[in-house]
Amino acid sequence: GAVVSQHPSRVICKSGTSVKIECRSLDFQATTMFWYRQFPKQSLMLMATSNEGSKATYEQGVEKDKFLINHASLTLSTLTVTSAHPEDSSFYICSASDRPNQPQHFGDGTRLSIL
Amino acid sequence: AQKITQTQPGMFVQEKEAVTLDCTYDTSDQSYGLFWYKQPSSGEMIFLIYQGSYDEQNATEGRYSLNFQKARKSANLVISASQLGDSAMYFCAMREAAFYNTDKLIFGTGTRLQVFP
Repeated sequence: GAVVSQHPSRVICKSGTSVKIECRSLDFQATTMFWYRQFPKQSLMLMATSNEGSKATYEQGVEKDKFLINHASLTLSTLTVTSAHPEDSSFYICSASDRPNQPQHFGDGTRLSIL
Repeated sequence: AQKITQTQPGMFVQEKEAVTLDCTYDTSDQSYGLFWYKQPSSGEMIFLIYQGSYDEQNATEGRYSLNFQKARKSANLVISASQLGDSAMYFCAMREAAFYNTDKLIFGTGTRLQVFP
């Protein structure tokens, strides 16, 4: 089945650091990947749609200069949290589907803690 | 605007019993998809079951079945013969109509299911 790998699984770093999170589709090509953010005991909120070879589409209220998304190949999308602050601490999770209109497969998520 | 509502923040069920997790949705689209995902405490999202808006039969996957009532706009998840490993958060989600093939998902707030012996 379709597998999505996300790395790292956990990051703890100082305020002001930029953090890069990778999302890879291991056995399929994904022209579109999605990035979600989840606060403790809350639902997943879509941050942006990552499009291979073009600019990401950000949801309303998400700062595109804060959360940089690069989808340079059909198997890799990266989310960079620039100059992270404690309020950026959250669970970030990506997803992709191997075919149109099929269930999305999720990575295992990244727990980001900014001190 | 499309919306997913899960009114049960928490549910308890005894092992081997069946449990129903509620989900209602609101959309003006004729074509849409409904999904259920399980999220254990470790955080990963596990796909459970899918129902398309034009599917006439209720979806089933092993112990999971989806009670799809289109007129009521509900898509409840039924878990039969609950197991201790079913304890997790369960999210109902809806895919917006294929618009430029975006496949975006909108999630409900989730229901925490606890299975006790």
